[in-house]
Amino acid sequence: GQNIDQPTEMTATEGAIVQINCTYQTSGFNGLFWYQQHAGEAPTFLSYNVLDGLEEKGRFSSFLSRSKGYSYLLLKELQMKDSASYLCAVMDSNYQLIWGAGTKLIIKP
Amino acid sequence: ETGVTQTPRHLVMGMTNKKSLKCEQHLGHNAMYWYKQSAKKPLELMFVYSLEERVENNSVPSRFSPECPNSSHLFLHLHTLQPEDSALYLCASSQETGTGNEKLFFGSGTQLSVL
Repeated sequence: GQNIDQPTEMTATEGAIVQINCTYQTSGFNGLFWYQQHAGEAPTFLSYNVLDGLEEKGRFSSFLSRSKGYSYLLLKELQMKDSASYLCAVMDSNYQLIWGAGTKLIIKP
Repeated sequence: ETGVTQTPRHLVMGMTNKKSLKCEQHLGHNAMYWYKQSAKKPLELMFVYSLEERVENNSVPSRFSPECPNSSHLFLHLHTLQPEDSALYLCASSQETGTGNEKLFFGSGTQLSVL
């Protein structure tokens, strides 16, 4: 079966750095997505990786290793507004999106 | 604002009621989706429409009935639901579907409670 694993919950301190990991086992690979979802709000797109390596976008970076079936989302200079759930999703060979259950990130002052 | 609007935001219904969820996108996208989001579970894809034609139906019970009258509007008609259907129902759109880098734009969802 197809599976996406990510931690259920993480806690970090304002101003610090946090890394949210995502591992996947899917039938083929056509890209990996990260979305952010604040409580009671719509998920919003953060990043898309299809080749190995690091993609940087401001305070957020996303890394992909296809050979290891592994990605991480790196958040730097954490702010209170970064408290949210972070969803990892992989597009398989049939262009179906396989979703993880999300990581709830709690930022403490 | 994501460009995708869902109504109502909250809905409480009995098991014998009939209700409809509405979604509208102002992005000019060709594909629209219904997802179910339950606490601590992955998003579950329910239906996909591309250019108003249903292209995916993931074994969803018949008590959920989608309708896509045009590429900007999507409905989910509900009847004789069960308490386990209580969840957040998310609508999304994308430029295309089945092509790879399909960034989804989500609405804020309808929080449904079935009593």
